[in-house]
Amino acid sequence: GENVEQHPSTLSVQEGDSAVIKCTYSDSASNYFPWYKQELGKRPQLIIDIRSNVGEKKDQRIAVTLNKTAKHFSLHITETQPEDSAVYFCAASRDYGGATNKLIFGTGTLLAVQP
Amino acid sequence: GAGVSQTPSNKVTEKGKYVELRCDPISGHTALYWYRQSLGQGPEFLIYFQGTGAADDSGLPNDRFFAVRPEGSVSTLKIQRTERGDSAVYLCASSLRFSWGADSGANVLTFGAGSRLTVL
Repeated sequence: GENVEQHPSTLSVQEGDSAVIKCTYSDSASNYFPWYKQELGKRPQLIIDIRSNVGEKKDQRIAVTLNKTAKHFSLHITETQPEDSAVYFCAASRDYGGATNKLIFGTGTLLAVQP
Repeated sequence: GAGVSQTPSNKVTEKGKYVELRCDPISGHTALYWYRQSLGQGPEFLIYFQGTGAADDSGLPNDRFFAVRPEGSVSTLKIQRTERGDSAVYLCASSLRFSWGADSGANVLTFGAGSRLTVL
């Protein structure tokens, strides 16, 4: 079945440093890759997503890259701030008419930004 | 409503009991999803609806779990003969529509705050 692996499971950085979280997916038909941020006790919230027709997308301090050949995508956070501390989940899905739209999530990365 | 609403926020029950969890999606969202999240894990897909019909129920763990969405809006997740292993946060999400169109924002899933189920 479909599977998404995520690394690392925990990541500690100093404020101002960059953080990188990596995911690989097994279903080669996947074409939609969102990233969710979940603070303790809160709901997951979408922070950025990318579709398979582009290789990179950026939104201020956050960027996502996609390598379809390697079935690999990554989240990059620059100039980290304490408020970036949370659990981050990657996900993948097939996202086109007639096919299932379920998101398959990775196991999460606990990011701690030390002031 | 303005967001995805889930009730109850917390449910404590005894092993063997029946529970219902309710989800009220964002108004106008035709797709609705149920996920289960155990402590320290990512959300695990259970079922999703397009309108009133279950488009994919492949994630339901066994026949004790059932979900309905009779009028294409509110959905209820039903768990019979609860077991301790059912304890988790049950998340509901909705999105504007199912298929990938020109509008890149159409398929974004918006999650509710979840229902925390504890089976003693």
